[in-house]
Amino acid sequence: QVQLQESGPGLVKPSETLSLTCAVSGHSISSGYFWGWIRQPPGKGLEWIGSIYHGGKTFYNPSLKSRVTISLDTSKNQFSLKLSSVTAADTAFYYCARHNPSYNFYYMDVWGKGTTVTVSS
Amino acid sequence: QSALTQPASVSGSPGQSITISCTGTSSDVGGYNYVSWYQQHPGKAPKLMIYDVSNRPSGVSNRFSGSKSGNTASLTISGLQPEDEADYYCSSYTSSNTLGFGGGTQLTVL
Repeated sequence: QVQLQESGPGLVKPSETLSLTCAVSGHSISSGYFWGWIRQPPGKGLEWIGSIYHGGKTFYNPSLKSRVTISLDTSKNQFSLKLSSVTAADTAFYYCARHNPSYNFYYMDVWGKGTTVTVSS
Repeated sequence: QSALTQPASVSGSPGQSITISCTGTSSDVGGYNYVSWYQQHPGKAPKLMIYDVSNRPSGVSNRFSGSKSGNTASLTISGLQPEDEADYYCSSYTSSNTLGFGGGTQLTVL
């Protein structure tokens, strides 16, 4: 079955760029579906960051759009998140997920276990 | 500030039924049948419980059901069990081609 695994630095300095990768197994990301990033600040709710289609088209949360880039690496069967100019407010647990149905990102049916990112000097 | 409004907490006794509401607007919940619900236990990733307002993924108990009326969607859990104690989040596709989440509801099984 499809499995997702996030990875990346757990600590990022303020004003720098947060970079995370989501490795996908059990499905080729180039053959379909949207893939997305969701985050959860400590003790708070979920926030959709953005999603990317297997063809490369992206959709972003307007509140983060100016700082976010989501990209695919089909050779490694993974997708990535870059969030620039981070502040303490970006400290959160970050999840990657597969969307469904295959042609849109209405909901998330497969989630990674998540990874924690702390923004601090 | 969340796009969708949920009660902060609900509670019920084992065997009882509870309903969690999720209120949006005609640009999200009211305009599309693309409301989903997620269960999250402490320290765990969210789990999809309901999609497209009222559909259950394979493996999810039929004690979980979803519905929608106007701009408000609802998740009902019948025959409450201790393992149902968790946080629940609603989500909806929006007219801006985005996804919104509710602020989450903490369910306590007394």
